[in-house]
Amino acid sequence: DGGITQSPKYLFRKEGQNVTLSCEQNLNHDAMYWYRQDPGQGLRLIYYSQIVNDFQKGDIAEGYSVSREKKESFPLTVTSAQKNPTAFYLCASTSPGTSGGETQYFGPGTRLLVL
Amino acid sequence: GENVEQHPSTLSVQEGDSAVIKCTYSDSASNYFPWYKQELGKGPQLIIDIRSNVGEKKDQRIAVTLNKTAKHFSLHITETQPEDSAVYFCAASRSNTGKLIFGQGTTLQVKP
Repeated sequence: DGGITQSPKYLFRKEGQNVTLSCEQNLNHDAMYWYRQDPGQGLRLIYYSQIVNDFQKGDIAEGYSVSREKKESFPLTVTSAQKNPTAFYLCASTSPGTSGGETQYFGPGTRLLVL
Repeated sequence: GENVEQHPSTLSVQEGDSAVIKCTYSDSASNYFPWYKQELGKGPQLIIDIRSNVGEKKDQRIAVTLNKTAKHFSLHITETQPEDSAVYFCAASRSNTGKLIFGQGTTLQVKP
């Protein structure tokens, strides 16, 4: 898992509740990413940030929000607008490739369950 | 849009046999192709990657080949061991975008 930590490992959400997933890295990486993983599917990009105070929507951003106030931190909020939030959430950060390409390192993940 | 197709979705081999997983990408501008191994309940771990300026890369029992013309790349695992059992993902990206497009994953089972 390198120097990327995610917390909590398990998170329970009640209907109508917003919850925030934490992602911290000490790798001095500029770019950070949030993915959602559902059973039998690949990873889908929610949001990404290539620099502090800037972020872009990925392929499935609806119902999610992020902030990037510090280089080390990229928290993800799952809002009540996300109607099917049960999934495994993965955070990643990028080390620029030495000859092109971006090597991404992943955290251990947070499993979100709906009560 | 950009897409990566991965096959097979499941693969079962006997210990000691070889395993091959294949991916096809749609974006001809893709130039970076990593492979990840994910064990149950954990985050994906990078096992090998290849860039478009080479056709093959090997690291002990693992090798990756790339055919840019056909837009195919493959993971080869030789002398498989039970600890190789996991889900494997391929991905593709363009340099400097940082965005990886993932395949759907292959569940590899190595039977002792």
